[in-house]
Amino acid sequence: GAGVSQTPSNKVTEKGKYVELRCDPISGHTALYWYRQSLGQGPEFLIYFQGTGAADDSGLPNDRFFAVRPEGSVSTLKIQRTERGDSAVYLCASSPGLAGETQYFGPGTRLLVL
Amino acid sequence: AQSVAQPEDQVNVAEGNPLTVKCTYSVSGNPYLFWYVQYPNRGLQFLLKYITGDNLVKGSYGFEAEFNKSQTSFHLKKPSALVSDSALYFCAVRDRDNYGQNFVFGPGTRLSVLP
Repeated sequence: GAGVSQTPSNKVTEKGKYVELRCDPISGHTALYWYRQSLGQGPEFLIYFQGTGAADDSGLPNDRFFAVRPEGSVSTLKIQRTERGDSAVYLCASSPGLAGETQYFGPGTRLLVL
Repeated sequence: AQSVAQPEDQVNVAEGNPLTVKCTYSVSGNPYLFWYVQYPNRGLQFLLKYITGDNLVKGSYGFEAEFNKSQTSFHLKKPSALVSDSALYFCAVRDRDNYGQNFVFGPGTRLSVLP
């Protein structure tokens, strides 16, 4: 595709519910990143995939957060038992896969937990 | 651990004047350095990056940045600001010698260019 896409663009849920956020990276990009951005702050790293495997998941805040990338392309970020503090914009980025290469960001999913 | 500081929350500059948005970093190895811009309700857009070689890097929309290893800085500059440059700017670093390390972003600097 032309760029990184994320769905849904907005998600409103109730506290305690389960949500899934989807990321479609640029075709051929082997590296995929998830970030969380709260209002007025910089993106906060969550997890990084190289191919199908999570190369670094040190940014996941707790075990309610989980991400998969089963075929090395599309990725899903899963949040269980959502809390109000999970409300943020969740950003996905992809890159061709080498360390110095530019990350290309999607438009984000704005999650609101009521 | 790596970190990025952007010491100014807000930078105001008159249209046509030069602008500087400051960034300092800390990594244990050598850095890859990036600047991104974010417009309201939009994703982050890549501006420029330093990988190796020439310390002065030129990027999109007339922006440039200078890598200064001794001062661990990577300030973003533009000779003549436009009102359309008003946005949120983020500096990011990755440790070149520890590939498993993730990107770290600074807190952002809001640039306002006044007509």
